[in-house]
Amino acid sequence: KQEVTQIPAALSVPEGENLVLNCSFTDSAIYNLQWFRQDPGKGLTSLLLIQSSQREQTSGRLNASLDKSSGRSTLYIAASQPGDSATYLCAGGGGNKLTFGTGTQLKVEL
Amino acid sequence: GAGVSQSPSNKVTEKGKDVELRCDPISGHTALYWYRQRLGQGLEFLIYFQGNSAPDKSGLPSDRFSAERTGESVSTLTIQRTQQEDSAVYLCASSLYGGGPSEQFFGPGTRLTVL
Repeated sequence: KQEVTQIPAALSVPEGENLVLNCSFTDSAIYNLQWFRQDPGKGLTSLLLIQSSQREQTSGRLNASLDKSSGRSTLYIAASQPGDSATYLCAGGGGNKLTFGTGTQLKVEL
Repeated sequence: GAGVSQSPSNKVTEKGKDVELRCDPISGHTALYWYRQRLGQGLEFLIYFQGNSAPDKSGLPSDRFSAERTGESVSTLTIQRTQQEDSAVYLCASSLYGGGPSEQFFGPGTRLTVL
């Protein structure tokens, strides 16, 4: 059974700082790894999708990496902004579903 | 519409009543998924549709929960005889293809409160 863990559970940083969010998974037989952000009272917004054959994906200030052999993914956010404040979720895709971690709650302060 | 839509956005019901939650996936997406998120917990998979068939219902927590999809489009999740532990946000997602590496896109969710 796939289990996904995210560290840290919460993070507070000053505006402009670069930061890394960590995600680990127990079953390396994943099809993909997807990163989402969730804003309070809202659904999930897909940020990046890394296929199992890929090592990383980039979108703007976001870069996600995937190391299947070690069961890890990281989300790098450059030059953080207050608008980046949200909960970030990673999810491993296997079979017919995504298995989610419990998220990292990020606060970027002015 | 451009994205996944769900209705209602909020539903308050009394214990023992039945509720229906609706999901409209992105047009052309063959796969549809239901998840739920209870307060303070992670998202849990409920059911997966490929077309109008549900090859994976492994996440449905009890036989009070059922879902259907028609016209390879709209899906309805039905909860019978609701219990307080059913209170959660129910999220629907769709993807172009199922059973593999397709990116899933989520709707805004339905917040269900069972009194």
